[in-house]
Parts: sequence; C-alpha cells; structure tokens
Amino acid sequence: EAQVTQNPRYLITVTGKKLTVTCSQNMNHEYMSWYRQDPGLGLRQIYYSMNVEVTDKGDVPEGYKVSRKEKRNFPLILESPSPNQTSLYFCASSTSHRGVSNQPQHFGDGTRLSIL
Amino acid sequence: QKEVEQDPGPLSVPEGAIVSLNCTYSNSAFQYFMWYRQYSRKGPELLMYTYSSGNKEDGRFTAQVDKSSKYISLFIRDSQPSDSATYLCAMSSAIAGGTSYGKLTFGQGTILTVHP
Repeated sequence: EAQVTQNPRYLITVTGKKLTVTCSQNMNHEYMSWYRQDPGLGLRQIYYSMNVEVTDKGDVPEGYKVSRKEKRNFPLILESPSPNQTSLYFCASSTSHRGVSNQPQHFGDGTRLSIL
Repeated sequence: QKEVEQDPGPLSVPEGAIVSLNCTYSNSAFQYFMWYRQYSRKGPELLMYTYSSGNKEDGRFTAQVDKSSKYISLFIRDSQPSDSATYLCAMSSAIAGGTSYGKLTFGQGTILTVHP
C-alpha cells in the first residue's frame, strides 16, 4: 500500500529536549515536505526536499532542521524545542517534474507535538 | 494580508443540502488549484485538482476557478454525513527553479458537518 508514515503520532515533551519526527514514504517520490497545521492558519510549509541531499526552507523554518540522506526518509529535527512549536505536523511526498512538485501530494496522518 | 483566505465556517448543513466552500487569493502566479479533505486525526487527501480557470466535476463535487476574480469554489451536491470533514483549499504557482518548487499554499480550512 502506498503510504507516508510518520512517527511518533503523539509526543509530549519539555522545552529544550531535542526530538526527531521521522517520515518515510514507499512510493519512490523525489519531493518531500514538512508542514505544520495551526488553528486559523491552515498548513504552512516548514522545509522541503527535491531529492537526496537537496533541501530548502519553506515559510516557517525557524527552529527546525531536516536531512535527506535517503530518498524514502525525510526526518524533521527540533534541536531545542520551544512551546511555540506545539502543533500538528504533516509530512508529504510527491513525484516531481523538472524541479516542480507534481500533484497530488500524499500526506501522512500527522504527528501531534506538545512542548511544555 | 494572507495569500489565501478561506471562509472559516464552521458550516452545519442537513443531509442532502448543497454546500458551497470558497477561497480568495492574492498571488496572480497561482496556476494550480486544489481542494483537500481532512478527516479527524488524518492527513489531508486530495479531492479536486484544476489548472487555470474553469469548472471540473467529479461525481457530487464541482470545483470552479475564476482567475480574473482570484476566487475558487467547491460545491458539494446531495451532501452526506460522510462528507463531514475539514476542507482545505490549496494553490501552487509551480514555478520551476526559484523558491516555489510547487509549494502548496493553504487556506485556513472550513469545518463542515452534515447532519442526518
């Protein structure tokens, strides 16, 4: 089954404790992206990756890091989490053509992070 | 001003009603217009996808795009309780190179409840 898998689905942690949210896709997609979803703001892009070792900032990258060492995986790293990073996070993937993400983007089921 | 504004709702309608969901946008470069449906505790899934202006119909769903007015709509006919979800409009400029890379810009989402 084609899917985007995120782990963990839920996490409560404390300020400053480094955490990693993993994302894996089994569709051989080049393009992967992280979004956060907040009430009244919709989904906003944090980082994206066009292929292995190619990543770039989205609209709200501050406080986050990513890496793309393998095509299927795109982890999101919070080096020193703060309460304003409490949110619902989604990973997405898609094929791409000439450097542009195709539609649809396939989304994981989300990771709810609470930073105390 | 946000690039994409979506009527926030929430909307509550009886089964069988026609539902109209709307978004306006300010970025003239947007060429691809999408509607995503998001059930509780799930990631968004693509519902409708249109390129440039015009109408697209798929079963009970019709998507309309008016680029001259920078306005898009999703109509749901004969609404069903299973249509109860959050509906998100999303847009992309799909510019190869540069900073877009097909990034999706989302509206805030409209919560729809269809009651029997």
